[in-house]
Parts: sequence; structure tokens; C-alpha cells
Amino acid sequence: AQSVAQPEDQVNVAEGNPLTVKCTYSVSGNPYLFWYVQYPNRGLQFLLKYITGDNLVKGSYGFEAEFNKSQTSFHLKKPSALVSDSALYFCAVRTISGGSYIPTFGRGTSLIVHP
Amino acid sequence: SQTIHQWPATLVQPVGSPLSLECTVEGTSNPNLYWYRQAAGRGLQLLFYSVGIGQISSEVPQNLSASRPQDRQFILSSKKLLLSDSGFYLCASGGGPSTDTQYFGPGTRLTVL
Repeated sequence: AQSVAQPEDQVNVAEGNPLTVKCTYSVSGNPYLFWYVQYPNRGLQFLLKYITGDNLVKGSYGFEAEFNKSQTSFHLKKPSALVSDSALYFCAVRTISGGSYIPTFGRGTSLIVHP
Repeated sequence: SQTIHQWPATLVQPVGSPLSLECTVEGTSNPNLYWYRQAAGRGLQLLFYSVGIGQISSEVPQNLSASRPQDRQFILSSKKLLLSDSGFYLCASGGGPSTDTQYFGPGTRLTVL
């Protein structure tokens, strides 16, 4: 079994300040971890992923995430938030089921960046 | 990269009416395909996934069904809609061994009245 937890329903940050959106996971074996962003009434867009290698992963729009195996975490970060970063963020972990690859998504965290 | 097309973008249907939502994929072949439902703008519920033509796996029991008549076409259907079927339906491609990233379509907003 596998699971993903995003402990915060909402994160508020002032524009220009650093932001962190938290994600922890539980999975057997090595995890494949992903972050996606969703703007209102749109589909999800891929931000970044960790498969193997460097624990610090850089992605789109200046976002990055750090894989921490001992804490089973994959927090999303950005050094300086923009109002346009306001959106819903999803963390996901991948598994294998019957030969397919079934990702498990967290419940999502709403990021609100205040001007 | 892959492009996912979904239509219609919005749909308002009465309770008891049938449903057909279509998803097509460009830029890849033999993709894994997925149907998700998102309620109240939050978590994603996986409804169906497919690893090939005619191969459908259901994740939750419900009055919805899915079909994959062609390699890059995925259809979500219902014979009789319920109020609880309202939501935002997302089609996704990828997530397989060659394309671990998923690509999502723009979604269909379904309101059942």
C-alpha cells in the first residue's frame, strides 16, 4: 500500500517571501515522486519529479523540491513567491499495480500568495 | 510532449440522462490512460485506467463505465446520471514505464441537476 499526505489544506505567504508546501509519503521500495499544479478550472500541470539521483530537484517556474528519504518527505519550495503562483498543488507518488503504474495523489494544498 | 484533448468543456445534464465524455491523446502511442474525478476543487479520485485497447480497470464501483476503442481514445460513459456524478472530470495520459510523468487534459465540468 502507498499513501501521500499533504498536511496543510492552505498555505498563505506574502509575495517575495519564500514558500514551502509540505508532502510526506509512504511506499514500499523506492518512490517516484511528483509535484503538479492546478489553476482554477484547468487540468493539472507537471512541475517536477524525483526518480533517482540528486535529492534537490529543480522544476518549472522556479520551483524546487527536496527528497528526504529518512523523513519520507518531498517538500515543494520556492525562494520568492509570486502572486501568480497562487494555485492548488498536488504531490503524487507512483507505484506498480498489475503491470500498470498507478499514481497516488495527495489531497492538494491551496497556495495563496498575497500582494 | 503529449497533448490531451477533452470535450465538452462544460456540461449540464438532468438526473437520469446518459453521459459520454471523450478524451483523445496526441504525441504518443500506446499510452496508459486515466479518468479522474475531482469534487469541490480538491482531491483526485481515480475512476478508471487503461493500459491498452479494450483493457479497462475500474478503481471504484459506480454507475460509470469507460471504454478504449482506439489506442489514443478514452471514453467515459453513464447510462443514467446521478446527482453525485457532478464534478470536474480529468483525463490523463502517461504514468507508464516509458513516460512516468502524467499529462492532463483541460477537464470537463459536469453538473447534474
